[in-house]
Amino acid sequence: AQRVTQPEKLLSVFKGAPVELKCNYSYSGSPELFWYVQYSRQRLQLLLRHISRESIKGFTADLNKGETSFHLKKPFAQEEDSAMYYCALTLRTGANSKLTFGKGITLSVRP
Amino acid sequence: EPEVTQTPSHQVTQMGQEVILRCVPISNHLYFYWYRQILGQKVEFLVSFYNNEISEKSEIFDDQFSVERPDGSNFTLKIRSTKLEDSAMYFCASSDDSRLAGRNEQFFGPGTRLTVL
Repeated sequence: AQRVTQPEKLLSVFKGAPVELKCNYSYSGSPELFWYVQYSRQRLQLLLRHISRESIKGFTADLNKGETSFHLKKPFAQEEDSAMYYCALTLRTGANSKLTFGKGITLSVRP
Repeated sequence: EPEVTQTPSHQVTQMGQEVILRCVPISNHLYFYWYRQILGQKVEFLVSFYNNEISEKSEIFDDQFSVERPDGSNFTLKIRSTKLEDSAMYFCASSDDSRLAGRNEQFFGPGTRLTVL
């Protein structure tokens, strides 16, 4: 069965510091990977997906199939980046495919 | 911008009672989902729904759970006889046809916190 692992529960950094939120997955096929973010008192929302290969709010994530990782990175953290971040995967690129989530990590960016 | 809505935001019920959680997906979406998150744990898939039938369900989604889309707009999750361990945040999500939109994004509602006493 597929699994998503986010090894850390909390990452606390100062504003301007680099951030790397780790995500590893286990699945023998070719999943689609996502990062979802949940800001305080807001809903889960998509941050980025590996297929689009884009940078959102300064965040990037590269799918490394050899290491089965999809780490989320930002070179200079901002206070407004403080949130809960979830890594997730689906097993196929079409619609109607369930998301499998990691446990999530709280990012705290201090002034 | 259209959003998924859920009601109520918080539901308190006694063990053994039936509850219905309601969701209004984004209007042109075709695929609907329920997830839950027990406090301190990961978000878990419960069920997906398309074309008025269940597409996939998890082991959690046993005979006590049911879903329906009674009127073409609401998408409901019913728990027939609630147990203490059903206490969780329940999220509804919807997505469009990614073959047309070229993407596979699920849009989440704000969640309903279910507390079973």
